[in-house]
Amino acid sequence: QLQLQESGPGLVKPSETLSLTCTVSGDSISSSNYYWGWIRQPPGKGLEWIGSFYYSGSTYYNPSLKSRVTISVDTSKNQFSLKLNSVTAADTAIYYCVRHPGSGWVDGFEIWGRGTMVTVSS
Amino acid sequence: IVLTQSPGTLSLSPGERATLSCRASQSVSNSYLAWYQQKPGQAPRLLICGASSRATGIPDRFSGSGSGTDFTLTISRLEPEDFAVYYCQQYGNSYTFGQGTKLEMK
Repeated sequence: QLQLQESGPGLVKPSETLSLTCTVSGDSISSSNYYWGWIRQPPGKGLEWIGSFYYSGSTYYNPSLKSRVTISVDTSKNQFSLKLNSVTAADTAIYYCVRHPGSGWVDGFEIWGRGTMVTVSS
Repeated sequence: IVLTQSPGTLSLSPGERATLSCRASQSVSNSYLAWYQQKPGQAPRLLICGASSRATGIPDRFSGSGSGTDFTLTISRLEPEDFAVYYCQQYGNSYTFGQGTKLEMK
């Protein structure tokens, strides 16, 4: 059964870099025909797509975050990671990793991790 | 593309019909519009994609319709487990979400 699990520090200081990892089980990132990505949700607020990648293709970022975001993959561990630099309190959110088809009529975010809460505070 | 959902909160009773609206600031290409359900403390769950196609395992009381800039999610007969927050999302031009509609029990 496909599962995604986020992990990383729950507290990050302002101006530092937020780093999270998503561990995938039940599918292989490197041989999958799916995109993998990150979505966040500030407490009590709505959802914001951060970025997605296809293993043998491109990586796409939300234009509003592009200058601060990097998504990378470690196929040996079947994991992918998110780095968001120069964080502020506005980056406090639940961060979800997701899987989605990446194109076509059915490109919904079909598989979600349980999410991990990250607080930006000194 | 900015998505605006209405109403912000909808108060209904089990057994009633729920109609949730999502309006886009510009036409959503190919009706690339999805709906999600989110319950407290849980990740969102995909309900509908392609504006009208139910995701795997979604009960047929959930239906989606619309095209262009106006889309609707209808729940034909509300079950107690349907009370949650619902989000629309477009994937025709990058990925953006609406702000959500809270469906609460009257």
